[in-house]
Amino acid sequence: GQNIDQPTEMTATEGAIVQINCTYQTSGFNGLFWYQQHAGEAPTFLSYNVLDGLEEKGRFSSFLSRSKGYSYLLLKELQMKDSASYLCAVMDSNYQLIWGAGTKLIIKP
Amino acid sequence: ETGVTQTPRHLVMGMTNKKSLKCEQHLGHNAMYWYKQSAKKPLELMFVYSLEERVENNSVPSRFSPECPNSSHLFLHLHTLQPEDSALYLCASSQRTSGTGTDTQYFGPGTRLTVL
Repeated sequence: GQNIDQPTEMTATEGAIVQINCTYQTSGFNGLFWYQQHAGEAPTFLSYNVLDGLEEKGRFSSFLSRSKGYSYLLLKELQMKDSASYLCAVMDSNYQLIWGAGTKLIIKP
Repeated sequence: ETGVTQTPRHLVMGMTNKKSLKCEQHLGHNAMYWYKQSAKKPLELMFVYSLEERVENNSVPSRFSPECPNSSHLFLHLHTLQPEDSALYLCASSQRTSGTGTDTQYFGPGTRLTVL
């Protein structure tokens, strides 16, 4: 079966750096997405990786290793507003998105 | 209005009621989606309308019925629901290129549904 694994919850300190990991086993691979979802709000697109390597976008970076079935989202200079759930999703060979259950990130002052 | 909008934002219904959820996208996209989001579970794709074709998850009960009258509007008709159907229902849209589909989905804020 297809599976996306990410930690359920993480805690970090304001101003620090946090890395949220995502491992996947899917039938085919057509890219990996990261979304941010604040409580009670819509998921919003953060990043898309289809080739191996690091994509940097401001304070957020996303890394992909297709051979290892692994990605991470790196958040730098954490702010209180970064408290949210972070969703990892993989597009499979049928171009369907397979979603992880999300990682709830708690930022403490 | 911009992006993807959904109404109502909250809905409480009895098991014998019939109600409909509405989604509208203002992005000019050609694909629309319904997802179910339950606490601490992955997003579950319910229905997709893409390039005028409907693709559905065969595990979705028949008490959920989608309707897509045009590329900008999507409805989810609900009837005789069960308490376990209580969840956040999210609508999304994307611009699909035929044969690829590696597109980014944009979500609405969701309808929080409670079935009593």
